[in-house]
Amino acid sequence: GAVVSQHPSRVICKSGTSVKIECRSLDFQATTMFWYRQFPKQSLMLMATSNEGSKATYEQGVEKDKFLINHASLTLSTLTVTSAHPEDSSFYICSAGNYEQYFGPGTRLTVT
Amino acid sequence: GESVGLHLPTLSVQEGDNSIINCAYSNSASDYFIWYKQESGKGPQFIIDIRSNMDKRQGQRVTVLLNKTVKHLSLQIAATQPGDSAVYFCAGGGSTLGRLYFGRGTQLTVWP
Repeated sequence: GAVVSQHPSRVICKSGTSVKIECRSLDFQATTMFWYRQFPKQSLMLMATSNEGSKATYEQGVEKDKFLINHASLTLSTLTVTSAHPEDSSFYICSAGNYEQYFGPGTRLTVT
Repeated sequence: GESVGLHLPTLSVQEGDNSIINCAYSNSASDYFIWYKQESGKGPQFIIDIRSNMDKRQGQRVTVLLNKTVKHLSLQIAATQPGDSAVYFCAGGGSTLGRLYFGRGTQLTVWP
């Protein structure tokens, strides 16, 4: 089946720094990838749609200047959390797929 | 947007019993639904999907039923096993867009 990877799986950073999370489709190409965040014991919340070669589409209420998305190739999308604060601590998950969505294993971000 | 919710936040069953997890959706335009399983600290794992032109779809030990009249779908797991213990999410959306909206999740606990 289709495999989506994320890197890193866990990251701890200090408040005010930026963190980059990578999402890769390993055995297929994806023109579109999606980024979600998930708080403990809560559901996944769609943040943005990452489009290869064009700007990302953000969901309402998601700050595009804070969550920078780059989809430079058909197998890689990156999410950069800029000037991270403790409230940005969350589980970030990406998905990819040309029809069915396959999810990455997630990245646990902790901002201290 | 889509509003997808689950009737019960928790479900406990005995090993070997059948489990039924329910989900309701609000957007009549939704034409694609997926059930995901998420284990603690991991990304969602695809279980089964169904399109709006179907009422029922079966997989290995799982069946999804869709009732478009009342905007309800359910996931049935036959002969539930301890390894089935996880949080189960339903997600809905328009298949052409690929954007999914997740319900709250149901924590399934299987007792030996």
